[in-house]
Amino acid sequence: QQQVKQSPQSLIVQKGGISIINCAYENTAFDYFPWYQQFPGKGPALLIAIRPDVSEKKEGRFTISFNKSAKQFSLHIMDSQPGDSATYFCAALISHGSSNTGKLIFGQGTTLQVKP
Amino acid sequence: GEEVAQTPKHLVRGEGQKAKLYCAPIKGHSYVFWYQQVLKNEFKFLISFQNENVFDETGMPKERFSAKCLPNSPCSLEIQATKLEDSAVYFCASSHRATEAFFGQGTRLTVV
Repeated sequence: QQQVKQSPQSLIVQKGGISIINCAYENTAFDYFPWYQQFPGKGPALLIAIRPDVSEKKEGRFTISFNKSAKQFSLHIMDSQPGDSATYFCAALISHGSSNTGKLIFGQGTTLQVKP
Repeated sequence: GEEVAQTPKHLVRGEGQKAKLYCAPIKGHSYVFWYQQVLKNEFKFLISFQNENVFDETGMPKERFSAKCLPNSPCSLEIQATKLEDSAVYFCASSHRATEAFFGQGTRLTVV
């Protein structure tokens, strides 16, 4: 129940295309869902996050779509660029009440390659 | 500081030796987290602190791992008697509200 399942494991997209990464969770107590971007040899960087009371959040070329009833959320990268080539992780945590310990449950990661 | 600072960047230890990793959180952040990343992708939560108090230690292998966050000192993660399977990248993160976590660059521990 604590797992977050992420797919696909790897993704190759042409420059200018749309990259889509999907995540699914079981624990309905999760109420904060961030996405992290990680370049080789670097730490994960917070990209964008959403709460389940919102169905979509957009920041620049990055959009999170959230489906509360299906317990799924996805990251869309519009107009993908070679500089977006990195590993992307979805995550989830419980942010309310005494269960909030800041413990992030990460997905398995998706390695994105954007071809020029 | 404006970023989470982790030292050292790389650490090599012989099996059975002690390893100590350090983390300076972002100034003003009262939450600190430690994660272990193995096989390039899998993140495992180890422990979290709220100021100097342990917040959640459900991920800590308590026999050999310990961690502290003392006032006016970098936080530390110590591994006694390292094993080959401890080889991983250890990330520290800090947060103002235990939600948006900002990660450091990690310490790569290699146990030989």
